[in-house]
Amino acid sequence: ETGVTQTPRHLVMGMTNKKSLKCEQHLGHNAMYWYKQSAKKPLELMFVYSLEERVENNSVPSRFSPECPNSSHLFLHLHTLQPEDSALYLCASSHPGLAVDTDTQYFGPGTRLTVL
Amino acid sequence: QKEVEQNSGPLSVPEGAIASLNCTYSDRGSQSFFWYRQYSGKSPELIMFIYSNGDKEDGRFTAQLNKASQYVSLLIRDSQPSDSATYLCAVLRDTDKLIFGTGTRLQVFP
Repeated sequence: ETGVTQTPRHLVMGMTNKKSLKCEQHLGHNAMYWYKQSAKKPLELMFVYSLEERVENNSVPSRFSPECPNSSHLFLHLHTLQPEDSALYLCASSHPGLAVDTDTQYFGPGTRLTVL
Repeated sequence: QKEVEQNSGPLSVPEGAIASLNCTYSDRGSQSFFWYRQYSGKSPELIMFIYSNGDKEDGRFTAQLNKASQYVSLLIRDSQPSDSATYLCAVLRDTDKLIFGTGTRLQVFP
């Protein structure tokens, strides 16, 4: 248990559905991240939130919409996804900029998403 | 050229042997490096980080960093079947962005 939780753990949705992934961290961190992990590909950084402000958006399609209402919670809203969006979506948190050990990112268990 | 490169493996070693995992990176200005372990169907878990040239030891794990040659390695001594997993190398950019390699799959056989 890393102190980062994600719900749901598994999600199956159709291409016309709207769903949301939730992440919560209990580590007192001030930065949160969304990653996508597809088979045979490295983890891809999707979004970075630092102090609740989005500081990175790596050319992610607009069908993925992040939300960070406070430093402990992060959401990823999904709509009109494509089958190629099926992947493991990982949330992570850290407290960057103080030292290397606080730069370390801790991951939640992930949400396995399947788009039909 | 990929920012972080790892041999995808699998790397097969017998139980009790030393497993050596390697990683190279392209950004010469990179300062901090991380090794994560990921079991099938699970999320990455931190093994250790390193930021100074040389070796850093933690139990059966030793990370080695050579900034001049731009490589990082992870040695696992006395490998156990429970060490069978994918090992991810990551490089920190701008204090808050981790760039990952594709990972090396390690198989430890009894």
